[in-house]
Amino acid sequence: EVQLVQSGAEVKKPGESLKISCKGSGYSFTSYWIGWVRQMPGKGLEWMGIIYPGDSDTRYSPSFQGQVTISADKSISTAYLQWSSLKASDTAMYYCARAQRITMVRGVTSYYYYYMDVWGKGTTVTVSS
Amino acid sequence: DIQMTQSPSSLSASVGDRVTITCRASQSISSYLNWYQQKPGKAPKLLIYAASSLQSGVPSRFSGSGSGTDFTLTISSLQPEDFATYYCQQSYSTRVFTFGPGTKVDIK
Repeated sequence: EVQLVQSGAEVKKPGESLKISCKGSGYSFTSYWIGWVRQMPGKGLEWMGIIYPGDSDTRYSPSFQGQVTISADKSISTAYLQWSSLKASDTAMYYCARAQRITMVRGVTSYYYYYMDVWGKGTTVTVSS
Repeated sequence: DIQMTQSPSSLSASVGDRVTITCRASQSISSYLNWYQQKPGKAPKLLIYAASSLQSGVPSRFSGSGSGTDFTLTISSLQPEDFATYYCQQSYSTRVFTFGPGTKVDIK
């Protein structure tokens, strides 16, 4: 079974550091991008960034560039999201998700489509003094 | 950045109703558009990818259409388990896959 297992809930104080994890199993972890998504309490989904564990190529949403660090350890099939100094506004649910890529051919042109087909259950991060 | 909008932000409907949700991109994204369903306390679930392709295991009452900047998710006959929030997502930008703000579907 393909799954992403995320680390447990965290309660931290402002200014503390944190690293949460997302472990993939049931598929070739190095062959799929892994994305991170934030959901603040009562709010919508926000795209944070994505990493390709095969070579650690990482892309950030402009809104999150410099605010978090995304990394991966392919030897243990695990992706990470980390903060160096948490703020109260980082309180949220954080999801990791696998990006599936498919190819559609129209005429002589190939098109590559990405979508998030497997999701972790989420990690709740609470930052409070 | 590509911005996504959805309308309406919420709607009330009855079981059996036909429901249509609209998603609009700030620039043309061809058919690089996905739809997800999220229920309270749960992770999102993929419904539609590439604007109109139904994800395996998703009921056929869900359908997607559109290309360019305007897209639609349709539920042909709303079922009790369909009450949820629906999000569109563009995958046109290189690895910055923005979500729409969501549409909450609740019971009338």
